[in-house]
Amino acid sequence: GAVVSQHPSWVICKSGTSVKIECRSLDFQATTMFWYRQFPKQSLMLMATSNEGSKATYEQGVEKDKFLINHASLTLSTLTVTSAHPEDSSFYICSARFDYEQYFGPGTRLTVT
Amino acid sequence: GQNIDQPTEMTATEGAIVQINCTYQTSGFNGLFWYQQHAGEAPTFLSYNVLDGLEEKGRFSSFLSRSKGYSYLLLKELQMKDSASYLCVPMDSNYQLIWGAGTKLIIKP
Repeated sequence: GAVVSQHPSWVICKSGTSVKIECRSLDFQATTMFWYRQFPKQSLMLMATSNEGSKATYEQGVEKDKFLINHASLTLSTLTVTSAHPEDSSFYICSARFDYEQYFGPGTRLTVT
Repeated sequence: GQNIDQPTEMTATEGAIVQINCTYQTSGFNGLFWYQQHAGEAPTFLSYNVLDGLEEKGRFSSFLSRSKGYSYLLLKELQMKDSASYLCVPMDSNYQLIWGAGTKLIIKP
């Protein structure tokens, strides 16, 4: 089946620093990848849709200059949280579309101190 | 607007059967997914329905009625590991997944 990996699985960083999260589709090519954020006991919130070779489409309320997305190849998308603050602490999940299904990575837990 | 209505929480007994109902309203419709999400983990795919009727896959079955905007997930022979949140996720006309808070299912021995 289709496998999506994320790295790192968890990260702790200091306020003001930047963190990069990688999302890879391991056994298929994904022209479209999605980045979600989930706070405890809340539903997944779509942050942006990433298309290979073009700029990401951000959802309303998501700062594109703070959450930088790069989809440089058909198997890799990256999310960089710039100038992280404690309120950015969350569970970040990527997914990749294959046919009609979305396959999710295992998620990255970010803690900003 | 777009919305999803599922019970917030359900409790069932190990070995029993449970049905999780979902009603939805979306801008257009391109099918409905059910996902399972254990605490602290990413969602995992359970089923996809695009036509009316019942889809059976092992212990899990999913039903869809497009005219009623209604779906259910049926779990048989419940196991303790089935304790998780179950997310009813319709896809709208733009192929966007619409996420709600899901149903937290608690399995008791």
